Parts: sequence; C-alpha cells; structure tokens
Amino acid sequence: GENVEQHPSTLSVQEGDSAVIKCTYSDSASNYFPWYKQELGKRPQLIIDIRSNVGEKKDQRIAVTLNKTAKHFSLHITETQPEDSAVYFCATHKNFNKFYFGSGTKLNVKP
Amino acid sequence: EAGVAQSPRYKIIEKRQSVAFWCNPISGHATLYWYQQILGQGPKLLIQFQNNGVVDDSQLPKDRFSAERLKGVDSTLKIQPAKLEDSAVYLCASSLLWPETQYFGPGTRLLVL
Repeated sequence: GENVEQHPSTLSVQEGDSAVIKCTYSDSASNYFPWYKQELGKRPQLIIDIRSNVGEKKDQRIAVTLNKTAKHFSLHITETQPEDSAVYFCATHKNFNKFYFGSGTKLNVKP
Repeated sequence: EAGVAQSPRYKIIEKRQSVAFWCNPISGHATLYWYQQILGQGPKLLIQFQNNGVVDDSQLPKDRFSAERLKGVDSTLKIQPAKLEDSAVYLCASSLLWPETQYFGPGTRLLVL
C-alpha cells in the first residue's frame, strides 16, 4: 500500500514569514493530492489540492507544488497570519481507492 | 448546500459498553468514509462505502467494529464492546465518484473510561 511521510511535525514561524510543509509518497499511481487544515476541535477542511497532470497550483497565499518524478509534494503558505495556526495534513489518492493521510504538521504563527 | 452531518457530537461510555455513531452524507455523494482520528495523529480509514457496497474495510477491527450503509445514504458505525484505546474522534466524510474531493463531518468525540 501507499506510504505517506510528512515533515516537519511542528513548525513555528513569525507572522509574515513563509511556511513550507513537505510530503513524500511511495505509490507512483497516486494522482490526487489534497491538503487539509484542521483547527483544534474542528473537522479537517480542504484548503488546496492538485492533480498529477499539474505541477503547481496557487490560491492567494497558498500554493502546492508536485514533483511526480521524486514523488513529493509541498504546501507553501506566504505572508503567514496568526489564523493560519492549525494542524495541516497532506493526503494521497488514486482512482477509486482510499485516501492515505500524512501524520500532520502543527503550524504555529507567532504574532 | 448542507454538509455532512454526524451525531452524537460527544459520547462518554465505560469500557465493554456499546456505542453507535450516525452519519448523513452530502446529498448525491456515492462514497462515504469512516475515519478514526486519535489525538495528535492523522485520520485513519476504518471503512469506505461506494453506494451501499464496501470498498475497503481492511483496517476495521471486525471483532468489535461494524458499519452499514443501508440504501446507500445514511451510515452507522458501531463499537461493541468498546476498549479504552477506542477513545478518539470518529470522522465521517463523503465524496462524489468524480471529483473525489472529500468533505468531512464535525466528528463524534468518544471517550471510553
């Protein structure tokens, strides 16, 4: 089965700085890569996703890059704000199969 | 559009008792997922339904956990008997077949004493 590794497990940045979270995966057939944000006591919320036919996708301050050859994808948050503080999960998926989640990154944005 | 509904939101039981959780997915979503999320970890898939058929239940502890999705809409997840290590948040999610974007419910927080 798929093996998804996520790093770092915790990340502390100053407000306004950028944050980068990286995930690696093992199954070359995976073709859908979502990122979720989970605030304390709340449900995971999709913040951005990317498919295998695209190398980069951006939505305002959030971007995701995918390197299929190296089997890794990254979440980039620019101009971080205190409300970005949460746990972020990456996941992988291939057609009609289950999702595999990373172990999560706790992001702390210091004002 | 209404989201994924779950109930109850919280449940406290003693070990060896039984408990059941209910999930109502987004209307029209063929795929329904039950996840277990232990504090500090990512969601772990317990069972995945497509309509009323099971797609994957490889990580469901079948000696104590059971789930059904009658008529391909609502679903229930049952634990009988519960153990201390079952304390977790149980998340339900649903998606279309395509695109497969998952939408999560608010979860049921279970505490087993």
